[in-house]
Amino acid sequence: TQLLEQSPQFLSIQEGENLTVYCNSSSVFSSLQWYRQEPGEGPVLLVTVVTGGEVKKLKRLTFQFGDARKDSSLHITAAQTGDTGLYLCAKGKGGGADGLTFGKGTHLIIQP
Amino acid sequence: DAGVIQSPRHEVTEMGQEVTLRCKPISGHDYLFWYRQTMMRGLELLIYFNNNVPIDDSGMPEDRFSAKMPNASFSTLKIQPSEPRDSAVYFCASSLSPRRGYGYTFGSGTRLTVV
Repeated sequence: TQLLEQSPQFLSIQEGENLTVYCNSSSVFSSLQWYRQEPGEGPVLLVTVVTGGEVKKLKRLTFQFGDARKDSSLHITAAQTGDTGLYLCAKGKGGGADGLTFGKGTHLIIQP
Repeated sequence: DAGVIQSPRHEVTEMGQEVTLRCKPISGHDYLFWYRQTMMRGLELLIYFNNNVPIDDSGMPEDRFSAKMPNASFSTLKIQPSEPRDSAVYFCASSLSPRRGYGYTFGSGTRLTVV
């Protein structure tokens, strides 16, 4: 089984601080997606990265795909309480048609 | 667009009873996925359909679980008989074309408790 390891598992920081969470695998990804899940809701897609070394920005969120396509990171600048949630990375197989395999996620709490 | 719609939102049932979870995907999405989420195991893919045809059911835990998609706008996941270890949040998701990089849209889930 090709597992996705996410770290840290839990992270609690103050509003205004910066943070980075990670997603790693021993195998190469064809593509990688990041989702955010709020309590009582389903995951919501944030971004898809497909090219090694790719960097995508979504307002204060910066996503990076490793050159070897085995890892990815999500950096949040000046965190806000609204960023609180479970951040999940997911990889597809064969173009994603086989469904997504998810990591267990990083539980992020931003304290006011 | 109303998004992916799941019902019920919450279900509490007694062990041994039959449970049916329902999903309406986004119109035009050719792929439909059923996932289960627990604290211990995270999100697990149970089964997925393409154009209403089951493609991969290798994630279905055992014969007590079955899923159908009689048409493009409706799918069910049935557990019969239910057991306490089936307690989890069950999500349905749909996608336009995963091979072309489209993301998955998830429903709000059904929280199942088997007592």
